[in-house]
Amino acid sequence: GAVVSQHPSRVICKSGTSVKIECRSLDFQATTMFWYRQFPKKSLMLMATSNEGSKATYEQGVEKDKFLINHASLTLSTLTVTSAHPEDSSFYICSAKSGRTVDEQFFGPGTRLTVL
Amino acid sequence: GEDVEQSLFLSVREGDSSVINCTYTDSSSTYLYWYKQEPGAGLQLLTYIFSNMDMKQDQRLTVLLNKKDKHLSLRIADTQTGDSAIYFCAESGSGGYQKVTFGTGTKLQVIP
Repeated sequence: GAVVSQHPSRVICKSGTSVKIECRSLDFQATTMFWYRQFPKKSLMLMATSNEGSKATYEQGVEKDKFLINHASLTLSTLTVTSAHPEDSSFYICSAKSGRTVDEQFFGPGTRLTVL
Repeated sequence: GEDVEQSLFLSVREGDSSVINCTYTDSSSTYLYWYKQEPGAGLQLLTYIFSNMDMKQDQRLTVLLNKKDKHLSLRIADTQTGDSAIYFCAESGSGGYQKVTFGTGTKLQVIP
């Protein structure tokens, strides 16, 4: 149990376009989802915490108008990268907390975004 | 802010034990985690330990915590080629929305 999926797994887009990444908890309800960005040879950096039915909480330095997060249901959160630039190219990973086990986050497989 | 440090690379021979080390700075850390990331995949929680514990063993995995020195280690006994991956140390405080801070990850290479 506790499976998190992401779609798409890979996306290539042109500079200036917007890209939407979906994160779904497949077999549990997630009141809280997290979005991370992973740089090469770097750790995961938390971008924002997404709570169902309310506005996301962004970490310092993350532009909320550029990285739009919507958590419309207990099983779906979306991250939209608006007006993408090459420096937005990265591996984006979401995670979800089930609430069943203390503080355990279940991670999705990640989405590789390449902006040309 | 919180900081979690790990060495970047570890190479061991198949069958040997691997020890991956981690140091952290946040003295209020309540949970300390070890995650595994295989190539092209997301993170998988391997194990976690509460800050009031010194040791936790789970099959081939042994976690040791030295809270005084803020040092965490993960020992993998009888390391297999399938253990090759990046291992992330992470910490968080208590409470529902405490964020998890990750280390930079240690790439474990197992030589057959």
